[in-house]
Amino acid sequence: RKEVEQDPGPFNVPEGATVAFNCTYSNSASQSFFWYRQDCRKEPKLLMSVYSSGNEDGRFTAQLNRASQYISLLIRDSKLSDSATYLCVTQGGRSQGNLIFGKGTKLSVKP
Amino acid sequence: DAGVTQSPTHLIKTRGQHVTLRCSPISGHKSVSWYQQVLGQGPQFIFQYYEKEERGRGNFPDRFSARQFPNYSSELNVNALLLGDSALYLCASAITGELFFGEGSRLTVL
Repeated sequence: RKEVEQDPGPFNVPEGATVAFNCTYSNSASQSFFWYRQDCRKEPKLLMSVYSSGNEDGRFTAQLNRASQYISLLIRDSKLSDSATYLCVTQGGRSQGNLIFGKGTKLSVKP
Repeated sequence: DAGVTQSPTHLIKTRGQHVTLRCSPISGHKSVSWYQQVLGQGPQFIFQYYEKEERGRGNFPDRFSARQFPNYSSELNVNALLLGDSALYLCASAITGELFFGEGSRLTVL
């Protein structure tokens, strides 16, 4: 079983749609969780951290369910500029720089 | 302020050759991590260095090595290149929790 598994995608949605990405992780000891965004042929950039209480940043909402080892990202009112690959990430080990990435889910928002 | 800078941006090597990739972290960042991203996959952790000491190592063969210099810049070395080493090599620096990635070095092994 992969350490971080994500929806296979790709997701093709119209502008204005709401889209949800799901992710599961295998290491129950994981303490930190993130969503990164990666544009085509660019570097990953932190979209948001994920907290147990859930957190929201504008149109983006992240949820964590530790019991189910499940992370989600909800994007409301999708924009063309949201088109990218979304990477689910946990922290591996005690090393701060050791992040475990999922394969990513590609989102394409169409006019 | 400059972000994380990597060089070279693109390079082509042949099997069996050696490659050195370089990374300059954001000013003030003492932690540098290296990742390999194969096409269609998420980045995979290779190494982390902090204050010139190795703090973490991923599941990569001994052909991969790295070091960090007193100015916190870093090098990733790969010996005896294989076709499967073709990938985007990403460097990231951090001062607290968030990692900031460079644009990467795209290595093609023929």
